[in-house]
Amino acid sequence: KAGVTQTPRYLIKTRGQQVTLSCSPISGHRSVSWYQQTPGQGLQFLFEYFSETQRNKGNFPGRFSGRQFSNSRSEMNVSTLELGDSALYLCASSSHDRRSYEQYFGPGTRLTVT
Amino acid sequence: QQPVQSPQAVILREGEDAVINCSSSKALYSVHWYRQKHGEAPVFLMILLKGGEQKGHDKISASFNEKKQQSSLYLTASQLSYSGTYFCGTVSSGNQFYFGTGTSLTVIP
Repeated sequence: KAGVTQTPRYLIKTRGQQVTLSCSPISGHRSVSWYQQTPGQGLQFLFEYFSETQRNKGNFPGRFSGRQFSNSRSEMNVSTLELGDSALYLCASSSHDRRSYEQYFGPGTRLTVT
Repeated sequence: QQPVQSPQAVILREGEDAVINCSSSKALYSVHWYRQKHGEAPVFLMILLKGGEQKGHDKISASFNEKKQQSSLYLTASQLSYSGTYFCGTVSSGNQFYFGTGTSLTVIP
């Protein structure tokens, strides 16, 4: 099976712009979660989608949003970018409930905000 | 609530053993362990579920003390390939998933 893919891999944006990141999970996986990784804060949970519904959301401002399509592909959007949004954004998919099943991570999208 | 891991960093010689601990302030449904090598995505190691079920790689062992909301990952006879940052992930009743603070493990020849 192909692994989790994320596009683009690298992105440079300026403050105030918005960005959309894409994630394609492993075929058959219905759960997709997004994480932000920074040197200072570590890995932080953004949100989880399961069968097109947002099941959980972390403690991030409303500028961060996401959605999942019927084919389980997911997108994450960040509006009005701030310098602090510079991070590695990781997407992970799971076959079932991620509480009890392993997550498979994509390579991430490195976002730099200038 | 982000779980706390200890130690923050450890250096081992090949063949030595290590224990990484993960502690949460909330009652846990499950504990997950992942390893991330520099520049790579985290890779699944093990899940420990409330009630005693475990899923993971045969060469990795871990424990889960439900009463204390603590988990430990045991790395025995370490190899150079064990180097990386180890993260625990916890799921509590609210279904929130929190990764721990991370433990950097370096294995030297």
